[in-house]
Amino acid sequence: KNEVEQSPQNLTAQEGEFITINCSYSVGISALHWLQQHPGGGIVSLFMLSSGKKKHGRLIATINIQEKHSSLHITASHPRDSAVYICALDYDKVIFGPGTSLSVIP
Amino acid sequence: DAGVTQSPTHLIKTRGQHVTLRCSPISGHKSVSWYQQVLGQGPQFIFQYYEKEERGRGNFPDRFSARQFPNYSSELNVNALLLGDSALYLCASSSDRGYEQYFGPGTRLTVT
Repeated sequence: KNEVEQSPQNLTAQEGEFITINCSYSVGISALHWLQQHPGGGIVSLFMLSSGKKKHGRLIATINIQEKHSSLHITASHPRDSAVYICALDYDKVIFGPGTSLSVIP
Repeated sequence: DAGVTQSPTHLIKTRGQHVTLRCSPISGHKSVSWYQQVLGQGPQFIFQYYEKEERGRGNFPDRFSARQFPNYSSELNVNALLLGDSALYLCASSSDRGYEQYFGPGTRLTVT
């Protein structure tokens, strides 16, 4: 079993839709990162969570440590949100999830 | 403030050669991590260095090595290159483990 899983693997949404990407993991962690990777490779760190909820603009990230689950929400999605969203676990090493490829259509 | 910088941005090598990739962390960050991302896959952890000492190592062969300098910049070295080493190599810096990581733009290595 993979230590970290994401769902969905691929997601297509209409502009303006509310989007949720899920991350489940099976190990104890010190922190969880949500990352955004655009075509061409550049990675941007969106959030680092160890508990609760964080909000930045239209992005919201939550984590439930007991349930070993985190979600990334995008409100009022826009085509520029199209990217791969990666959940990464931080414990004795960093492990990346498989990513969720999001495409937002105008 | 400058973010994480990596050099070179692109590199083409032939099998059997050696390559050195460089990373400069954000000013004040003492931890540097290296990741390999093969096309179509997620990044894989290679090394983490903190205060010039190796803090973590991923499942990579001994052909991969790294070091961190007193100014906290880092080098990733790969010997005896294989075709499968073709990838995007990402460097990330943070204040320490468990703190937010900031990624560089990556070095795209092509081995022919």
